[in-house]
Amino acid sequence: QKEVEQNSGPLSVPEGAIASLNCTYSDRGSQSFFWYRQYSGKSPELIMSIYSNGDKEDGRFTAQLNKASQYVSLLIRDSQPSDSATYLCAVNSEDSSYKLIFGSGTRLLVRP
Amino acid sequence: NAGVTQTPKFRILKIGQSMTLQCTQDMNHNYMYWYRQDPGMGLKLIYYSVGAGITDKGEVPNGYNVSRSTTEDFPLRLELAAPSQTSVYFCASKRDRGVTEAFFGQGTRLTVV
Repeated sequence: QKEVEQNSGPLSVPEGAIASLNCTYSDRGSQSFFWYRQYSGKSPELIMSIYSNGDKEDGRFTAQLNKASQYVSLLIRDSQPSDSATYLCAVNSEDSSYKLIFGSGTRLLVRP
Repeated sequence: NAGVTQTPKFRILKIGQSMTLQCTQDMNHNYMYWYRQDPGMGLKLIYYSVGAGITDKGEVPNGYNVSRSTTEDFPLRLELAAPSQTSVYFCASKRDRGVTEAFFGQGTRLTVV
């Protein structure tokens, strides 16, 4: 089982819609969770981080964490064509090494 | 405001050659990471370090080596390059464990022919 799993997509949504991106993780003791956005040919950049169960909102972005289900999601409201990118879920492992493990990413396409 | 700097940006290697990818950060971060990203895929962790003198293997360490003699520098060594090592390599640094941001370098695009 992969440590961090994402649907590769592409997820296609119309402009103005809500995009929902999902991620599951295998290490039940993981404490810190991240969503990065990566445009083609560029480096990843942080969108959201979360460590408590529930929702965390920042502008058009909402991260949701459910540790019991080992599930983290990212909602993008009022999706814009500029949101078209690959979204990477990342998890800090809870063992003493604190590796930062990424999923394979979900490609999002926002249609004008 | 340099952040994380990787050199070179591009490199073509012949099979069997060796090279070192350089990574330096000026944010005094303890945690540093090396990832590879194959086309259309996510980031795979090669090696990481939690401080000067401390390194450990990630998900895909075979064919690579690292060292961490200073807080700032975390070079990645490729010995006996193989076509399977053709990839984009990213270095990242993070202040500490927890919900702090990992900052990425601009990447090194490596082709082994």
